[in-house]
Amino acid sequence: EDKVVQSPLSLVVHEGDTVTLNCSYEVTNFRSLLWYKQEKKAPTFLFMLTSSGIEKKSGRLSSILDKKELFSILNITATQTGDSAVYLCAVGQETSGSRLTFGEGTQLTVNP
Amino acid sequence: NAGVTQTPKFQVLKTGQSMTLQCAQDMNHEYMSWYRQDPGMGLRLIHYSVGAGITDQGEVPNGYNVSRSTTEDFPLRLLSAAPSQTSVYFCASSWTGFYGYTFGSGTRLTVV
Repeated sequence: EDKVVQSPLSLVVHEGDTVTLNCSYEVTNFRSLLWYKQEKKAPTFLFMLTSSGIEKKSGRLSSILDKKELFSILNITATQTGDSAVYLCAVGQETSGSRLTFGEGTQLTVNP
Repeated sequence: NAGVTQTPKFQVLKTGQSMTLQCAQDMNHEYMSWYRQDPGMGLRLIHYSVGAGITDQGEVPNGYNVSRSTTEDFPLRLLSAAPSQTSVYFCASSWTGFYGYTFGSGTRLTVV
């Protein structure tokens, strides 16, 4: 059974802290790993990773994939209250058309 | 540019009623999907489509039907609503099925 597991499930930090969110997966025919940010409503796309060891970066957010150990991390440096959200990890598979398998998400709360 | 539009935003149904959740996208995306989101369970795939006239089941298809007569529209039908279908439903679309899915703003459905 395909599985995507995120940890921690929730995290409370203070503004300025650095956080690391984890995503491990066990899926057949891995193609890509995606990170989304979900505030009140629709998830919004952050990163897509397909190759091991290549860091994707956007401002204070960065992510890296390890295809050998089957995990990815999402780092957020100098957190701000606007980073408070649920962060979702999803894995795309080669043989399933538009199928994405999502993890449960990590609820991040950044306090002032 | 509307992106992915879902209607209605909120709905309350009685057990046994049927209804259709509407989803439309104006980006000419071939791939469209329906997910449900429940607390502690992330997003789970209900049905997906890789183009007009082509649909397939996802992880939790029971109790739901879909059709894709046009590229733009992908309605989700609940045949006989049950309390277990109380959830938030998201429609999403993508160019390729693996990268950068765009999500609608969701429909919060309550079945009493």
